[in-house]
Parts: sequence; structure tokens; C-alpha cells
Amino acid sequence: ETGVTQTPRHLVMGMTNKKSLKCEQHLGHNAMYWYKQSAKKPLELMFVYNFKEQTENNSVPSRFSPECPNSSHLFLHLHTLQPEDSALYLCASSQVLSNEQFFGPGTRLTVL
Amino acid sequence: DAKTTQPPSMDCAEGRAANLPCNHSTISGNEYVYWYRQIHSQGPQYIIHGLKNNETNEMASLIITEDRKSSTLILPHATLRDTAVYYCIVRVGQGGSEKLVFGKGTKLTVNP
Repeated sequence: ETGVTQTPRHLVMGMTNKKSLKCEQHLGHNAMYWYKQSAKKPLELMFVYNFKEQTENNSVPSRFSPECPNSSHLFLHLHTLQPEDSALYLCASSQVLSNEQFFGPGTRLTVL
Repeated sequence: DAKTTQPPSMDCAEGRAANLPCNHSTISGNEYVYWYRQIHSQGPQYIIHGLKNNETNEMASLIITEDRKSSTLILPHATLRDTAVYYCIVRVGQGGSEKLVFGKGTKLTVNP
């Protein structure tokens, strides 16, 4: 238990669906991150939020839309995804001046 | 791109020390060495980090060579639960918004 929770843990969606992934941290951190881990590929950073403001978008397609309503919650809104978007999506949090990121358990996404 | 080189896999006997090497020959003076691990189907977990001095915590020890071009993560008494992919990462500074660039890591298998 890292103090970072993600829901749902598993998600299957069609290419025309709209769904959202949710991340919540109970650690009082002020930075949150989305990562993508595809099969047999290294983790890739997608987005970074510091104090609710997006500070990094790592050339992510617009079909992925992040939202950070407050320092404890982070969402990833998904629409018109492709099968190659199937992956493990990981959320992490940290203090902005900390060396250590705490990761959630991830959401296993399958796009049919 | 990841700035580190690690062996793709290693084996270790339960109860013995596991020594995981990492080469980072292009490391800059202000870059830290971080180690994370990822147990199957879970999010990555922070282990330890260092700049130039050797470091030890309750999980592991980090030995950094004097020229800082390589380091070794030591798990002193490996258990079956230490079976995971271990990532060596170099990163500037202590800001939480700095990118963690994950490579392919070393798959450590602890055998009974």
C-alpha cells in the first residue's frame, strides 16, 4: 500500500467509448504524474502536474486528456482510443522538491 | 533516452546478497543515481538514491564508484519477494517534477 490508489484496476473498452481513469493520493503530495507501460517497453512519462498545473505533456495524443482538479486527484479521460493504446497506466505522486515518487498499482487497459 | 546500461537479467539464491550493476558513463556532476524496482503487475517502488557517497537504508545499499560512472545496488539478503525488475535512473536535482526516464532494467530472479 503506497498511499496512491487507482480505479478501475482493469478496463476493457471499444474504440468509440469514452472512459476515465482515476488516481487519488493520500500523502499530501503536490505533484502528480501519468505514465504508460506497454508490453515489453519501458515506462513512458505522459503528463506531469505541479500544484494542479500541467507542467509536462510528453507529446501525448489528444485522445488522452488529463485533468487535475486538486492536488489529491488526477484523472485521465480517454476517447476514441486505438488498440495500440492497450497498456498499463500508472499514476504517481511526490512532493515537488522530493526525490521519491510513489506509484499506484496501475490500471490495465485493453482497447478492442 | 535512458542514460544507463544494465544487464537484462540476473539470478540470485535466496538468502545471498544480490549485486545489481549499472553503468552511467555520461553522468553529469549534478545528476543523482536512483534505483526503483517493479514487482510483477505492480507500480514501481522507490528503493534508494545517491549523488557520490555510498548510501544505505532499510531496503538496500548503493555503492557509487569514485568517478561516478557506475554503481551497484546491493540487496544484502535476497528473498523470493525481491524478484522484480530493477531500474537504475540518473536524474538532475531533487525536484519532483524532474523526469524519471526508465530503461529496460534488470530482471532479478531470486531462486529458492
